[in-house]
Amino acid sequence: GAGVSQSPSNKVTEKGKDVELRCDPISGHTALYWYRQSLGQGLEFLIYFQGNSAPDKSGLPSDRFSAERTGGSVSTLTIQRTQQEDSAVYLCASSEGTSGTIEQYFGPGTRLTVT
Amino acid sequence: AQSVAQPEDQVNVAEGNPLTVKCTYSVSGNPYLFWYVQYPNRGLQFLLKYITGDNLVKGSYGFEAEFNKSQTSFHLKKPSALVSDSALYFCAVRDGLTGGGNKLTFGTGTQLKVEL
Repeated sequence: GAGVSQSPSNKVTEKGKDVELRCDPISGHTALYWYRQSLGQGLEFLIYFQGNSAPDKSGLPSDRFSAERTGGSVSTLTIQRTQQEDSAVYLCASSEGTSGTIEQYFGPGTRLTVT
Repeated sequence: AQSVAQPEDQVNVAEGNPLTVKCTYSVSGNPYLFWYVQYPNRGLQFLLKYITGDNLVKGSYGFEAEFNKSQTSFHLKKPSALVSDSALYFCAVRDGLTGGGNKLTFGTGTQLKVEL
């Protein structure tokens, strides 16, 4: 079956512009996660959605970052007034539920470059 | 708080030799441990996990990992490495004690290079 898809695969933007990154999770997966992977660093948790519950935003680095998930499926991560330090690969993952025993399935990522 | 350490940025091994990629963790409760692999320009792929039970866990592509509670380690192993195993490997942990979903903490990754 189809895996997690993300678009665009690459995005180059000028400093100060807003960007939107899209994630389409595996059908039927109720949990959706956003991570950021910076060069030389591991994966940094950003935000997590589970069903209709309020999202866990504890990983968002600043108020320039926001995300929404419409209809319990597709999610959009928005970065306003981008800065050069926002350059990274943004990974989306989904899982069947929220149990800690369940593995997450990752998309291919969006490589964001802020010039 | 939960944390993961991967002490080696890179591991080099000859094809056909056994490989080990090290991972240690810190949690308050029981750990849920995962290994993921990332090939160039691709997302992470799940390899294996330890939740409970047998300390030796077998996963995809011939990989296995050994959970050692006393040493708080979860090293990834493979008896005979292949050139195609060359990739970036991530260890991740979730503290079974905490609630709030399935938020994983990842290590910084270990680049595995298998040479002929």
